[in-house]
Amino acid sequence: DVKVTQSSRYLVKRTGEKVFLECVQDMDHENMFWYRQDPGLGLRLIYFSYDVKMKEKGDIPEGYSVSREKKERFSLILESASTNQTSMYLCASSRGQGFVAGVSDEQYFGPGTRLTVT
Amino acid sequence: SQQGEEDPQALSIQEGENATMNCSYKTSINNLQWYRQNSGRGLVHLILIRSNEREKHSGRLRVTLDTSKKSSSLLITASRAADTASYFCVYSGAGSYQLTFGKGTKLSVIP
Repeated sequence: DVKVTQSSRYLVKRTGEKVFLECVQDMDHENMFWYRQDPGLGLRLIYFSYDVKMKEKGDIPEGYSVSREKKERFSLILESASTNQTSMYLCASSRGQGFVAGVSDEQYFGPGTRLTVT
Repeated sequence: SQQGEEDPQALSIQEGENATMNCSYKTSINNLQWYRQNSGRGLVHLILIRSNEREKHSGRLRVTLDTSKKSSSLLITASRAADTASYFCVYSGAGSYQLTFGKGTKLSVIP
């Protein structure tokens, strides 16, 4: 079974802090994703990576950055956390090579990190 | 990207009944997927239907796709209490790498 793990289930940070959310997948997937999920808004894509060191912006990249130094690991960084970044953050991975093929594949999700910024 | 719309937003049925959820979208698509989310198992992929397919089955699930109407439906037959969850339709637009999630239908199956 594919396993996607996230570094924390719950996280509380103060406004202005730098926050790192880590995601690791164990199935040698090419593609990895970060989403945030908010009530009434569903899941929204923050960033996407289709290869090591490669990244693409999703719908809501503002205030976030990402890092993919190794194939199995994809980090989401909040440079200066703000209260409007309080949310559930979900990481996912998928097989496939290339842009369109990879994103269209089935995605495997981690358990999520509930981040609260106070 | 433009979110799809699921209908209804919430659905409550008795165990053993069938549940039907609908999804509408606004662009041409590569494929459409349905996912389930509950507190126990997180977000899990259920089924994928390609844009050139009209119907697909997987166990108690049946998915239809009508690209002329830009809509899809998910039917769960003989529902069980364990089917209680939120169900999302997810699609990638033709020529786009992005996946778009609908806002979900919250299904409650009463034992």
